[in-house]
Amino acid sequence: TQLLEQSPQFLSIQEGENLTVYCNSSSVFSSLQWYRQEPGEGPVLLVTVVTGGEVKKLKRLTFQFGDARKDSSLHITAAQPGDTGLYLCAGWGFGNEKLTFGTGTRLTIIP
Amino acid sequence: EAGVAQSPRYKIIEKRQSVAFWCNPISGHATLYWYQQILGQGPKLLIQFQNNGVVDDSQLPKDRFSAERLKGVDSTLKIQPAKLEDSAVYLCASSFRNWADTQYFGPGTRLTVL
Repeated sequence: TQLLEQSPQFLSIQEGENLTVYCNSSSVFSSLQWYRQEPGEGPVLLVTVVTGGEVKKLKRLTFQFGDARKDSSLHITAAQPGDTGLYLCAGWGFGNEKLTFGTGTRLTIIP
Repeated sequence: EAGVAQSPRYKIIEKRQSVAFWCNPISGHATLYWYQQILGQGPKLLIQFQNNGVVDDSQLPKDRFSAERLKGVDSTLKIQPAKLEDSAVYLCASSFRNWADTQYFGPGTRLTVL
């Protein structure tokens, strides 16, 4: 069974601060995705990383896939209230067509 | 382009009752997924269809859960009989061809079992 552990589980910070969310596993993943889910809605895909060591930027969000393909991080610069939500990492193992989701990080940005 | 539609949005039932959820995927999407998301956790895949065939149902509690996708379009997920631990949000998602394509999620059905 492939497990993805996210930390922290909850994070509440002031607007304008920076933050990093982590996604870790003992298993190797062929690719990892990050989603954001708002209350009453389904998850929405933010990014997919497929190469070990890959870094992708989406405006103020920076995503990194670990060299060993077992972990990933999401860094947000100058957080805004609109960044509030549940952040989920998800990944596919090699030869596995089932997407495994992480435990989630609930982020609250205080104006 | 219309997104994934789900109904009902909320359902409250008592344990041992039956319940059914409906999903209409994005038009033209071949693959449909049902996930269970318990409060405070990430979604867990219950069943994956490609057209009207089952690709993966390894995590579906088959003694009480059933799902079908007639004609390869809409899908229903049924729970009979419901248990307290079935309280969760049931998410439907679809992707264009197969598991490698982006999954688009519906808003979910929040089920409360009393």
